[in-house]
Amino acid sequence: SQELEQSPQSLIVQEGKNLTINCTSSKTLYGLYWYKQKYGEGLIFLMMLQKGGEEKSHEKITAKLDEKKQQSSLHITASQPSHAGIYLCGAVDSWGKLQFGAGTQVVVTP
Amino acid sequence: KAGVTQTPRYLIKTRGQQVTLSCSPISGHRSVSWYQQTPGQGLQFLFEYFSETQRNKGNFPGRFSGRQFSNSRSEMNVSTLELGDSALYLCASRPGDGGLDTQYFGPGTRLTVL
Repeated sequence: SQELEQSPQSLIVQEGKNLTINCTSSKTLYGLYWYKQKYGEGLIFLMMLQKGGEEKSHEKITAKLDEKKQQSSLHITASQPSHAGIYLCGAVDSWGKLQFGAGTQVVVTP
Repeated sequence: KAGVTQTPRYLIKTRGQQVTLSCSPISGHRSVSWYQQTPGQGLQFLFEYFSETQRNKGNFPGRFSGRQFSNSRSEMNVSTLELGDSALYLCASRPGDGGLDTQYFGPGTRLTVL
């Protein structure tokens, strides 16, 4: 099955600073999703990357897909308290199931 | 459009009981998936339904079952509850059954088994 490894597991960042989260797949990526979750709540869709080299941005969040490395990165510029939460990457495996990484917990301090 | 809704939001049951959770997808979406999220195992896929047919199934025991109705609403049932079934159960919907359709999640049902 497809395994997704996220790093770091958690991070604390000062408000206004940048941060990067990585997601590495054990198998070929056909599509990579990024979601955000507030503790105990549902997942909010951020963006989906499909092609190698693709880069998408939404407000201050940018995600890139490196197909050769089977890796995606999520970068937040000038973090704000609203960016706090758990970020999850997901990928569709060969059976069509959406598998998720363990998540990265982001804490933004004043 | 209204988002994915799940009922109930919170549930407390005792071991051995059974439980039914409900999910209403976004209007027009025909595919519904269910996931279990726990601190130890993370987010795990349970099953997916499309047009009232189960299309995919995760690695869970037969105590976990589901169904989908003609209006695309879905229910998930867990019989003979165990303590380890305590989790956040999330439902997600997407328009079709295409592999790369984006899934949109509901707020979840928090199940506590005592």
